[in-house]
Amino acid sequence: ETGVTQTPRHLVMGMTNKKSLKCEQHLGHNAMYWYKQSAKKPLELMFVYSLEERVENNSVPSRFSPECPNSSHLFLHLHTLQPEDSALYLCASSPVAGTEDEQYFGPGTRLTVT
Amino acid sequence: GENVEQHPSTLSVQEGDSAVIKCTYSDSASNYFPWYKQELGKGPQLIIDIRSNVGEKKDQRIAVTLNKTAKHFSLHITETQPEDSAVYFCAASSQTDSWGKLQFGAGTQVVVTP
Repeated sequence: ETGVTQTPRHLVMGMTNKKSLKCEQHLGHNAMYWYKQSAKKPLELMFVYSLEERVENNSVPSRFSPECPNSSHLFLHLHTLQPEDSALYLCASSPVAGTEDEQYFGPGTRLTVT
Repeated sequence: GENVEQHPSTLSVQEGDSAVIKCTYSDSASNYFPWYKQELGKGPQLIIDIRSNVGEKKDQRIAVTLNKTAKHFSLHITETQPEDSAVYFCAASSQTDSWGKLQFGAGTQVVVTP
């Protein structure tokens, strides 16, 4: 499998549930990102990892907890979410953590919080 | 930080006509401006980018222009085809952020009708 993959593609969860989103990149990149995409709004950068070290935490609530066990895998652990957290969550990777490298996006996980 | 505004939010064009999307940015130190295309059910994909030392760049039917004085840049698609239908995002990198993260516009839904 090539590129950036995300699982699951769709997730419905209650506000008291705990779930995790998974991202895997097969490109040999050293940087990975989580973005939140809401309708009619710009992509919001949530977290950035470079060589498994978090380099950016963009004022994201603690109910979102990222984990990067190695440079190929990235997780987003979710707990006690709110309905306004419903959105498309996109994972991306790039060769290094820097803005002038193309970011390769996965297809996203469509999250609905009920 | 950087703020990017994108217009229009929706754009309908007849097949064969041209489409133009415009973005403005706030940080005069920004020097990298990519454009991403997002098709239904997929993540955004880089289609063209431009750096501040260049005023115009073209790749087949796609071109981007940059006016640093006015702080705006535009995407031009000529001879539009149905497969150009997608959401297009502009972005800019702000050098005032130590990490230099990308700031995205809100997106333009382009619909090409046969």
